Amino acid sequence: NAGVTQTPKFQVLKTGQSMTLQCAQDMNHNSMYWYRQDPGMGLRLIYYSASEGTTDKGEVPNGYNVSRLNKREFSLRLESAAPSQTSVYFCASTQYNEQFFGPGTRLTVL
Amino acid sequence: GENVEQHPSTLSVQEGDSAVIKCTYSDSASNYFPWYKQELGKGPQLIIDIRSNVGEKKDQRIAVTLNKTAKHFSLHITETQPEDSAVYFCAASKSATDSWGKLQFGAGTQVVVTP
Repeated sequence: NAGVTQTPKFQVLKTGQSMTLQCAQDMNHNSMYWYRQDPGMGLRLIYYSASEGTTDKGEVPNGYNVSRLNKREFSLRLESAAPSQTSVYFCASTQYNEQFFGPGTRLTVL
Repeated sequence: GENVEQHPSTLSVQEGDSAVIKCTYSDSASNYFPWYKQELGKGPQLIIDIRSNVGEKKDQRIAVTLNKTAKHFSLHITETQPEDSAVYFCAASKSATDSWGKLQFGAGTQVVVTP
């Protein structure tokens, strides 16, 4: 099992550009999450999907959209990137509370 | 909503000594408290968790204690080793029995174990 995979690992964008971060899990988990990690602020939930076909806002959803494409895949889209979205983004999946995290995507917005 | 505070932000210990990280939470309905370890360049990984019906849980050199009355919980690492160097996060959730529990994370503690 690969667990949770994320692409890309690194990305540099210019202000106003758009991009989609991809996440996939092969553990047959129902729930998936997107977090951002900033220094001194821990992990903050952007969006989550409790099950296939549903998505909900987390703590910091502004500027992001998500798609739960199927049970395996959960993507995060930045429509118009801003410097404040420079961060490390983690995808996670869970079955019963234990969240399994991907390796992260380091995004820089210039 | 839930607010989790974590202290200290950095912790330097000598190899073989113990390390203690403390967290407090605000929502008395929280009932699940996991701890995650994040090594450099990797995603966080669960190392131990505790539910509100238990006061203490141990797993080899790590242990977690929970005080529901005071709304705080702690991670204890004994006989620290260089490989314990990492960032540790505490978290709290109100859905210990739900399969889609949302976690509220603390800010993290950078632990450095010096030989």
